[in-house]
Amino acid sequence: SQQGEEDPQALSIQEGENATMNCSYKTSINNLQWYRQNSGRGLVHLILIRSNEREKHSGRLRVTLDTSKKSSSLLITASRAADTASYFCATAGGGNKLTFGTGTQLKVEL
Amino acid sequence: GAGVSQTPSNKVTEKGKYVELRCDPISGHTALYWYRQSLGQGPEFLIYFQGTGAADDSGLPNDRFFAVRPEGSVSTLKIQRTERGDSAVYLCASSLTPRGTGNTIYFGEGSWLTVV
Repeated sequence: SQQGEEDPQALSIQEGENATMNCSYKTSINNLQWYRQNSGRGLVHLILIRSNEREKHSGRLRVTLDTSKKSSSLLITASRAADTASYFCATAGGGNKLTFGTGTQLKVEL
Repeated sequence: GAGVSQTPSNKVTEKGKYVELRCDPISGHTALYWYRQSLGQGPEFLIYFQGTGAADDSGLPNDRFFAVRPEGSVSTLKIQRTERGDSAVYLCASSLTPRGTGNTIYFGEGSWLTVV
């Protein structure tokens, strides 16, 4: 079963714009991770944020976590066509088993 | 190896046949996970190994699915009497340890199974 849901399900922006994706989840977590997937294969790990962290940066990526609202957001700044992909959030509980959301399909147009 | 390796990358089989999918995790990773992803969905957990033992197999959909990791490294996912509904990408992942609050889980490219 899916733990959470990403919002929006699909997002289309112009190159250079910022892209924001949101993720909501249902149970308590140890950490939350964001992944990118191109063409339905090969999940690539982007960033991990622990439950005691509120914000984390990695290059053009910024992730926030609000455990009181059970939500997270992923911001991609200055988007590029190569950022076109599906983005998933995944939560890890006590056993580090990841439970994925439904994904956001991002399309960055030239 | 440098990353998680899965074979075959694509498998087409007839309904009712037996299938094995192989995963070679990152060297030194003790935790290994299998996920299944249907078109348009997020990956769904199947089973998790810590070393040689299956620590959590709660995601296996039924007794046609079985996985082993006899030496604590390579794992094989076995599907008996395949059905068309088994068609999906089967993803394997590994992490250094299963515990703690910050263990990144690395995924392979997946094995695309099509049952016809």
